[in-house]
Amino acid sequence: QVQLQESGPGLVKPSETLSLTCTVSGGSISSYLWNWIRQPPGKGLEWIGHIYYSGSTNYNPSLKSRVTISVDTSKNQFSLKLSSVTAADTAVYYCARGYCSGDSCGAGVWFDPWGQGTLVTVSS
Amino acid sequence: SYELTQPPSVSVSPGQTASITCSGDKLGNKYACWYQQKPGQSPVLVIYEDRKRPSGIPERFSGSNSGNTATLTISGTQAIDEAVYYCQAWDSSTAVFGGGTKLTVL
Repeated sequence: QVQLQESGPGLVKPSETLSLTCTVSGGSISSYLWNWIRQPPGKGLEWIGHIYYSGSTNYNPSLKSRVTISVDTSKNQFSLKLSSVTAADTAVYYCARGYCSGDSCGAGVWFDPWGQGTLVTVSS
Repeated sequence: SYELTQPPSVSVSPGQTASITCSGDKLGNKYACWYQQKPGQSPVLVIYEDRKRPSGIPERFSGSNSGNTATLTISGTQAIDEAVYYCQAWDSSTAVFGGGTKLTVL
């Protein structure tokens, strides 16, 4: 059974870069889409982006200019970098495996399972 | 950008049927899925591709999607079903979530 675990600093200063890693266990990262999703305290979910094991990426247009997602298949890990953070980026960050509907994912993508999440606070 | 709208809250008595709606432009032309999130926990997928249940999800959870509205239905609602439920769809290569619906079982 695949499990995902986020890791990284819980506190980041404004204007700096948030960096998180998701470690995948119980299965290979060499398939599926690998996603980052965040949830500000007391609010809803926001998809950040995903990466395919081959390295191809897709980002939320609202964050695209600040986001980089990368993959390390040798370590079964994928990572998130979010630059120029502000207090608005304070959130629980989740990693999740993504499944595609159809051959090219055009019909839909859903997320299962999710990691336990890690709270990242942006503050000086 | 594409938007999904959910009612902020729904209440149901134990044993009754709860229906949670999710509205979006021509949502019926896309696949909808649903997640359950309990306090302090990660979201859990309960319905995907409009009406399919992942392994381990009770049969009382069902889904439908037509026109502009997707619906999550919980039959014989139990106290353990009290949670926030999020719908999600895929539009222009972007995942979009609804704002979430707090289901109260009372």
